[in-house]
Amino acid sequence: GAVVSQHPSWVICKSGTSVKIECRSLDFQATTMFWYRQFPKQSLMLMATSNEGSKATYEQGVEKDKFLINHASLTLSTLTVTSAHPEDSSFYICSAIPRTSGGTTEQFFGPGTRLTVL
Amino acid sequence: AQSVTQPDIHITVSEGASLELRCNYSYGATPYLFWYVQSPGQGLQLLLKYFSGDTLVQGIKGFEAEFKRSQSSFNLRKPSVHWSDAAEYFCAVGRYDKVIFGPGTSLSVIP
Repeated sequence: GAVVSQHPSWVICKSGTSVKIECRSLDFQATTMFWYRQFPKQSLMLMATSNEGSKATYEQGVEKDKFLINHASLTLSTLTVTSAHPEDSSFYICSAIPRTSGGTTEQFFGPGTRLTVL
Repeated sequence: AQSVTQPDIHITVSEGASLELRCNYSYGATPYLFWYVQSPGQGLQLLLKYFSGDTLVQGIKGFEAEFKRSQSSFNLRKPSVHWSDAAEYFCAVGRYDKVIFGPGTSLSVIP
């Protein structure tokens, strides 16, 4: 149980285009999902917290107009990188907290999406 | 300020040797504690977690960790390392809806 999927697993796009990444909780409902960014050989950096039905909360320094997050249902959150540039190339990982976690903070992680902007 | 430190950036051990990965944290209260493992190009897999109770926690793949409140530490151990354990290991701490990750320790295993 507690499986999180991401689609696509990797994507290559041209500079200036937008890319959408999906994060789905497959066998549970998630009131809260998180989006992380990971540069090579570095730790995960929290970008934003996404709650179903409300606006995402962005971490300091993350451009909300650049990284659009939508949490349309209890099983789906999307991250759209708008007008992508090469510096946006990174590994994006989502995670989700089950609705029934009781506040124990355990997050279940997706496999990640590798974005390369040419 | 809340923070997590993993003093060892990279560790190399021989297969069959014991392993200890260090993790120290700074947090206002007793946090929930986690260890995750990440293989190259992959997502994170939870090895073990501590919420309360027994301070020695058993996890998957033969790993264990001990919470020491007085030292604000949550070190990860394994008595005998396998070549397949080579990966990046992240300690994480948090409560409620936010978790802070440490910088990670890269483990290499010599056959």
